[in-house]
Amino acid sequence: QQQVKQSPQSLIVQKGGIPIINCAYENTAFDYFPWYQQFPGKGPALLIAIRPDVSEKKEGRFTISFNKSAKQFSLHIMDSQPGDSATYFCAASLSGAGSYQLTFGKGTKLSVIP
Amino acid sequence: NAGVTQTPKFQVLKTGQSMTLQCAQDMNHEYMSWYRQDPGMGLRLIHYSVGAGITDQGEVPNGYNVSRSTTEDFPLRLLSAAPSQTSVYFCASSRTGTDTQYFGPGTRLTVL
Repeated sequence: QQQVKQSPQSLIVQKGGIPIINCAYENTAFDYFPWYQQFPGKGPALLIAIRPDVSEKKEGRFTISFNKSAKQFSLHIMDSQPGDSATYFCAASLSGAGSYQLTFGKGTKLSVIP
Repeated sequence: NAGVTQTPKFQVLKTGQSMTLQCAQDMNHEYMSWYRQDPGMGLRLIHYSVGAGITDQGEVPNGYNVSRSTTEDFPLRLLSAAPSQTSVYFCASSRTGTDTQYFGPGTRLTVL
């Protein structure tokens, strides 16, 4: 049972475009939603994370939008650059004691064309 | 700080062989975990540990064994390698369960 569904599987945008990656979760108890960025041959690295007490969080060109009632969250990349070409993973988890398990989406491969 | 280190970077095994993937972190993190990454499947949790002496199973634990005798090290053992275990394996550590997870560079394993 996949608890975090991510779409699209792949995405191609032109430089300067705004790619949007969407994730939907099933477990209403999830309260921590990070996004990880992975370049080829490297391990994933945390990009940005949000908790459900806010509807939006921005860090530089990256924005997470969160819709608690729809159980959805998305990543927007403003003014995308070729250097943003990578695979992006959304994830979700509980934050209580003994609840340490990040559930990842299947990933989105983003290509930004010059 | 070296962060999270993994050895080896690449490994080829024959079916039935056993081996240990090494993972170490120098950030004094309590939480450590092992994931496997397969095309189109994302990252799937194999085993995790919330502190020395404490381990638990993740989503896909069959065929793998772990132990955590020190805070720094979290080795993953393949008991009898199978072609289905061909994958890229990532070790990660974090200060708490919902803190930033720091991933190692990965081990690419091929089982023939």
